[in-house]
Amino acid sequence: KNEVEQSPQNLTAQEGEFITINCSYSVGISALHWLQQHPGGGIVSLFMLSSGKKKHGRLIATINIQEKHSSLHITASHPRDSAVYICAAYTGGFKTIFGAGTRLFVKA
Amino acid sequence: EAGVTQSPTHLIKTRGQQATLRCSPISGHTSVYWYQQALGLGLQFLLWYDEGEERNRGNFPPRFSGRQFPNYSSELNVNALELEDSALYLCASSFPGLAANNEQFFGPGTRLTVL
Repeated sequence: KNEVEQSPQNLTAQEGEFITINCSYSVGISALHWLQQHPGGGIVSLFMLSSGKKKHGRLIATINIQEKHSSLHITASHPRDSAVYICAAYTGGFKTIFGAGTRLFVKA
Repeated sequence: EAGVTQSPTHLIKTRGQQATLRCSPISGHTSVYWYQQALGLGLQFLLWYDEGEERNRGNFPPRFSGRQFPNYSSELNVNALELEDSALYLCASSFPGLAANNEQFFGPGTRLTVL
């Protein structure tokens, strides 16, 4: 079992739908990072959080430390949201462990 | 403000050669991280440098090495290249350490192809 698991692996949504991507981890962490990777390979930082909830525009990230689980929500999804979403766990040893990514495709 | 820059964008080498990849962090950032993303695989942590010192490394052989210069830019060297080293190599920078406030910002990557 991987130390950081994401689900689903692939997700196809219709424009306007509410999307949830999940990340579960089994290691102790100091923070969790949500990243977005576009087809060209470039990575954009979305959120970094160690507790609670953060919101930016249509994106919301939550984390439950007790349950070792984080979610990324996209409200009113749009085709430009199509990308791979990756969660990264920062462990006490200052190593970063990445989830395998969730490939999102939003249809117009 | 300029973001993290990496050079070259693409690099083609043959087996057994050495590759050198470069990264310039965001101004004010002292930590630099290197990651490997092989085709079809997820991101793997390679190295973390801060204040010129290697602070941690991932599960990679010693032929993956690097350094950080006094201006905080960094080099990643891969010796004795193997076909499976073909990957996208990403650099990220942050303020010192890994904490909730020290978000990492990623460069565009260097795509290394080993023939």
